[in-house]
Amino acid sequence: GQNIDQPTEMTATEGAIVQINCTYQTSGFNGLFWYQQHAGEAPTFLSYNVLDGLEEKGRFSSFLSRSKGYSYLLLKELQMKDSASYLCAVMDSNYQLIWGAGTKLIIKP
Amino acid sequence: DTGVSQDPRHKITKRGQNVTFRCDPISEHNRLYWYRQTLGQGPEFLTYFQNEAQLEKSRLLSDRFSAERPKGSFSTLEIQRTEQGDSAMYLCASSPKGLDVEEQYFGPGTRLTVT
Repeated sequence: GQNIDQPTEMTATEGAIVQINCTYQTSGFNGLFWYQQHAGEAPTFLSYNVLDGLEEKGRFSSFLSRSKGYSYLLLKELQMKDSASYLCAVMDSNYQLIWGAGTKLIIKP
Repeated sequence: DTGVSQDPRHKITKRGQNVTFRCDPISEHNRLYWYRQTLGQGPEFLTYFQNEAQLEKSRLLSDRFSAERPKGSFSTLEIQRTEQGDSAMYLCASSPKGLDVEEQYFGPGTRLTVT
């Protein structure tokens, strides 16, 4: 079966750095997406990785290791507005997105 | 570009009733997706369209669910004989180029409550 695993909840302090991990087992791989979803709102795109390595975009970076079936999202200089759920999604061999359950990130002042 | 819109935002219905939701994608976006999301879970794929053609439908989708995109613009999702298990957020997303690998832009969702 296809499986995406990420922690259910994480807590971090404003101004700090947090790393949200995602491991996956899917039938095929056509890239990994990270989306941010604030409570009651729609997911919004953060990043896409298809090759191994780190992609940096401002305060957010995303890393991929295809051999390990592993990705992480790194958030730096945390702000209160970063409190949200972070969804990891893998595009499988049929080009369908398989979604994780999301990691709820709580930022404390 | 006003983004993806969905109507209604909330729907409360009694079990056994039919409901229909509408999604207006970003103008000229080729692909349109429907997802279902329950609390604490990621979105679950339901179906998608390339222009007016429905190309894929989840095998998890029962025959009570049907979707259309008649002119390749807006889409409707109908649920017949609703059940309490249908209560969820129904999300619509669109993508611009019709490529298999592409960022999807999500609408605000329609929250369905079946009583």
